[in-house]
Amino acid sequence: GEDVEQSLFLSVREGDSSVINCTYTDSSSTYLYWYKQEPGAGLQLLTYIFSNMDMKQDQRLTVLLNKKDKHLSLRIADTQTGDSAIYFCAEGGGSYIPTFGRGTSLIVHP
Amino acid sequence: NAGVTQTPKFQVLKTGQSMTLQCAQDMNHNSMYWYRQDPGMGLRLIYYSASEGTTDKGEVPNGYNVSRLNKREFSLRLESAAPSQTSVYFCASSEGLRYGYTFGSGTRLTVV
Repeated sequence: GEDVEQSLFLSVREGDSSVINCTYTDSSSTYLYWYKQEPGAGLQLLTYIFSNMDMKQDQRLTVLLNKKDKHLSLRIADTQTGDSAIYFCAEGGGSYIPTFGRGTSLIVHP
Repeated sequence: NAGVTQTPKFQVLKTGQSMTLQCAQDMNHNSMYWYRQDPGMGLRLIYYSASEGTTDKGEVPNGYNVSRLNKREFSLRLESAAPSQTSVYFCASSEGLRYGYTFGSGTRLTVV
C-alpha cells in the first residue's frame, strides 16, 4: 500500500531555517499536505501543494515538490520557538483517504 | 468558531466498560473520519464516513463501531474497552482532497 516516510526529529537554533523532508510512494498523489500539531492539540493544516506544482511559498513557509523522486519538503525560514511542534506530511489522491507520515518533532532552541 | 468539536476531552475507563466518543462539525462537510494517535505510530484511521448514511472501515477498526447520525455528527463507540485502546482519538472532517482535513482537539482516553 501507500507509504509516507519522515524523519522523527529535527533540532534547530532559533533564527535558523528548518527543513523537514518527506518521501511518499503513491505516484497517483494529487495533493500533498503539511500539518502542524502543537502539544495537546489537534492537527492544523499548514499548507498544501498540488502535484503539478514544483514550489509553493506562503510567508515563512516554502514547500518544494520533486514528483520524479516523490520527495516533499517544508522549509521554515527564521524559525521561532513558537514553531516547535510535530509536523506531519500527508498525500492524497490515489485513494479517497490521505495517508499520513508518522510526524517530525521540530525542536527549536535558543 | 466554526470547526470540529469532540467530547469528552479526557476519559478514564476500566477494562470492559463501554463509551461513546462524540464528534460534531458545523462546516457542512460531507466526509468525516476517526483516527487514533499513539506515540511513534502517527495517525491510524479507524473508520470513516464519505457521506451521510455511509461508513467504512479504516486501518484499525477492530474493537470499535461508528454511527453517522446525520451530516454533522459522527460518533465512535468502544463496546468493551481494552488497555490497548488507550490512545488519543481525533475526529476530522473534509469537503474534499483540495481542502485537506479539519481536526478536532482530540479525546485522551486511558483504559485501566
